[in-house]
Amino acid sequence: DAGVIQSPRHEVTEMGQEVTLRCKPISGHDYLFWYRQTMMRGLELLIYFNNNVPIDDSGMPEDRFSAKMPNASFSTLKIQPSEPRDSAVYFCASSFLGRSGNTIYFGEGSWLTVV
Amino acid sequence: GNSVTQMEGPVTLSEEAFLTINCTYTATGYPSLFWYVQYPGEGLQLLLKATKADDKGSNKGFEATYRKETTSFHLEKGSVQVSDSAVYFCALSYSSASKIIFGSGTRLSIRP
Repeated sequence: DAGVIQSPRHEVTEMGQEVTLRCKPISGHDYLFWYRQTMMRGLELLIYFNNNVPIDDSGMPEDRFSAKMPNASFSTLKIQPSEPRDSAVYFCASSFLGRSGNTIYFGEGSWLTVV
Repeated sequence: GNSVTQMEGPVTLSEEAFLTINCTYTATGYPSLFWYVQYPGEGLQLLLKATKADDKGSNKGFEATYRKETTSFHLEKGSVQVSDSAVYFCALSYSSASKIIFGSGTRLSIRP
């Protein structure tokens, strides 16, 4: 399997612009997670989906952030409008909940810089 | 609530030194425990896991034993290499729940 695929890998955008991050989970996985990682705050869970349905979005920082999962093989995280404090690495991850717990597989991340 | 606490970094060692990164957890019941590693510029990768008390997870020379009596899952390696320089995350999850709870991460740097 190709693993979790994210795009773009790197993005630099101006404050106020819309940013869309994309994710393709591992085939057969029924959970999808969006994380944000910064030096100051570490790894934060933003939102996760089960079978394409959002389960917990309590980590989404504010209304400027939205996430969708229109089908089992695709998800987006959108920031509109973007601000410099949104600069971070955004990770998508997927998993299959089995008897031995939830082993999560991460993508390589989207490195976002808002100037 | 459930939580994971790791020793704060950075940890700096010389090549071939012995490594321990402490991890303790607070949880009810019987979670599964994990160590993930993040190499520079990459996402997190599963390093090893243990699913029940007294289980030992191992991979790439790293080991961790699930100690329920001390609620710990310390990561150890007998002889570290420069290529082990990375950030290490301890984590837990339940088979009945979907969320995985991560510790804050410990940065490890190995000097040649």
